[in-house]
Amino acid sequence: QQPVQSPQAVILREGEDAVINCSSSKALYSVHWYRQKHGEAPVFLMILLKGGEQKGHEKISASFNEKKQQSSLYLTASQLSYSGTYFCGTGPSGNTGKLIFGQGTTLQVKP
Amino acid sequence: ETGVTQTPRHLVMGMTNKKSLKCEQHLGHNAMYWYKQSAKKPLELMFVYNFKEQTENNSVPSRFSPECPNSSHLFLHLHTLQPEDSALYLCASSPTSNQPQHFGDGTRLSIL
Repeated sequence: QQPVQSPQAVILREGEDAVINCSSSKALYSVHWYRQKHGEAPVFLMILLKGGEQKGHEKISASFNEKKQQSSLYLTASQLSYSGTYFCGTGPSGNTGKLIFGQGTTLQVKP
Repeated sequence: ETGVTQTPRHLVMGMTNKKSLKCEQHLGHNAMYWYKQSAKKPLELMFVYNFKEQTENNSVPSRFSPECPNSSHLFLHLHTLQPEDSALYLCASSPTSNQPQHFGDGTRLSIL
C-alpha cells in the first residue's frame, strides 16, 4: 500500500537537476508532494488530482501518470534551499483525507 | 509561523502516565490530522477529523485517544504508552479533506 519513492537519496551540486519518483501498486487518485527540512515541519509543495496533470512551482514541477500509477517531481537548476527530505503522499478515491506517505527521498544540494 | 500550533514541543513521560497533546489552527480549516513520524520510517497517518467528526482511524492502538471539540482544536490523549511510541507527533490541517495540508512543528515524545 505504501508508495515507493526512488531514489532514496541524492546529492547534487547547485544548478543541477533531479527527478524523484513515486510509484504505487494501487490505483492513484491524488498525489501530494511535501518537503521537510531537518527539525522542521513538512511543507506542502503541490497536489495533483487528475491523471496526466502537471503542475509547476518556480523551478519545481510534477507530473502524474495515472496509467503507470506513478508521479514524478522535477527539480531544475537546484538551489541550496532545496535540500531536505521529499515525501509523496497518495490518496484513495473519495475525500476521506487519508494519505499514505512514501519513505521519503533525501536531497542534499552542495555549493 | 505555520498557522498550526502544537504544544508541548517536547514531552517525556513514563509508561504509566497520562498526558495530552494539543493542536490549534487559526486557518479556518475544517479537516485536522494526527501523524506519527518515527526515525527512518515514513509519516504514518493516525486519525482524520472532518468537520469535527472522525473519518479515519488507521488501526491506532486504544492507548491513543483523539478528541476534536471544534474545528480549530485537536487533542491526542495518551495513556499507558510503550517505548516504541516514542516519536515525533505531527498535527496538520487542510481546508477540507484531500487538499493541501499545513503541518505544525510537532511534539517530540519520549517514553521512559
